[in-house]
Amino acid sequence: DAGITQSPRHKVTETGTPVTLRCHQTENHRYMYWYRQDPGHGLRLIHYSYGVKDTDKGEVSDGYSVSRSKTEDFLLTLESATSSQTSVYFCAIKRGSSGNTIYFGEGSWLTVV
Amino acid sequence: GIQVEQSPPDLILQEGANSTLRCNFSDSVNNLQWFHQNPWGQLINLFYIPSGTKQNGRLSATTVATERYSLLYISSSQTTDSGVYFCAAGGGSQGNLIFGKGTKLSVKP
Repeated sequence: DAGITQSPRHKVTETGTPVTLRCHQTENHRYMYWYRQDPGHGLRLIHYSYGVKDTDKGEVSDGYSVSRSKTEDFLLTLESATSSQTSVYFCAIKRGSSGNTIYFGEGSWLTVV
Repeated sequence: GIQVEQSPPDLILQEGANSTLRCNFSDSVNNLQWFHQNPWGQLINLFYIPSGTKQNGRLSATTVATERYSLLYISSSQTTDSGVYFCAAGGGSQGNLIFGKGTKLSVKP
């Protein structure tokens, strides 16, 4: 258990509405990540954070923003949800003796109708 | 950027059989990890293995960084091994990973 909690776990929303997903960690890790998983694409990095207020884009960042005002929370916001953002969203942290091992949360299933 | 290719895409085994999953990556990496996604969608880290060999029970992994591939071995497979196995690779220090599309493993009783 990597101490990662995602909320909500399931959400259905309408096109054009804003949506925020929350990732909460209890172990004070510096690095946090948001990935999305879609059939045929595996997992793709959306945004990541390397500290409070320090964030950067991943490979599929268009249409998403993030914020990290506290070490333990990393928020992913869809400003105006589209059907193409229907996906499973995974939060992850980096830890381990090597400092590089990635651990995932349980995922958030988002459907945009 | 780095590209990650996994093979085979699908694999069906009888319980008790052994298997080898392959991951090829297109560039030098300092980060190579294997994950298992179970049928309920949970992603479990199996190995952090940028080079060398590691073993954990019936699973072992080998990465030959100079030849840009990694292998995941599953011995005496069990039905609980079913799911999708992902390889992910990365360079740099941020820990960002590029994932392959996975190998879907089905172990039949």
